Amino acid sequence: QKEVEQNSGPLSVPEGAIASLNCTYSDRGSQSFFWYRQYSGKSPELIMFIYSNGDKEDGRFTAQLNKASQYVSLLIRDSQPSDSATYLCAVQGGSEKLVFGKGTKLTVNP
Amino acid sequence: EAQVTQNPRYLITVTGKKLTVTCSQNMNHEYMSWYRQDPGLGLRQIYYSMNVEVTDKGDVPEGYKVSRKEKRNFPLILESPSPNQTSLYFCASSPFWGRILEQYFGPGTRLTVT
Repeated sequence: QKEVEQNSGPLSVPEGAIASLNCTYSDRGSQSFFWYRQYSGKSPELIMFIYSNGDKEDGRFTAQLNKASQYVSLLIRDSQPSDSATYLCAVQGGSEKLVFGKGTKLTVNP
Repeated sequence: EAQVTQNPRYLITVTGKKLTVTCSQNMNHEYMSWYRQDPGLGLRQIYYSMNVEVTDKGDVPEGYKVSRKEKRNFPLILESPSPNQTSLYFCASSPFWGRILEQYFGPGTRLTVT
């Protein structure tokens, strides 16, 4: 069974700080990696995807991928209270299936 | 507006009474998928479809059926619902380019089976 692991949290950071969310995966053949944000009672929305080793930046968000360590992370700079949500890591292997982690709940305190 | 719609949004039913949850997307996406979300278990894929008449099992397909007769629609069928299928269900669609599944989720259907 291919697994995606995330720290369930909750992760609490002060407003303006950097929030760091981590994810590990078991399938070494995984090719694409996604971060979704889910507000309470809402559906997941895609924030970023990454498929090459290294960093990918989009505004305040940076995704980092290290395939050798089977590790993907999401950094949120200048965290805002509106960033408070559950963040889901998803991994796509060599097929068309997507496996999600259980999510990390982030709280940004004003 | 580009969107994925699901109906109904809320449903309470009884064990054994067949039901269908509809899913429709207006983005001409090839890929569609159904997930269930349960506390402590996260999002788990039920079935997915690469295109019309092409479907495959996800991680938790037992007790569910799907069909893909048109590109825009991907209904989820519970032939004989049981209480363990009480869950929050999401439909999602994605363009299928470069093998990147950039999925867009519907608003969710909260199902309770008594």
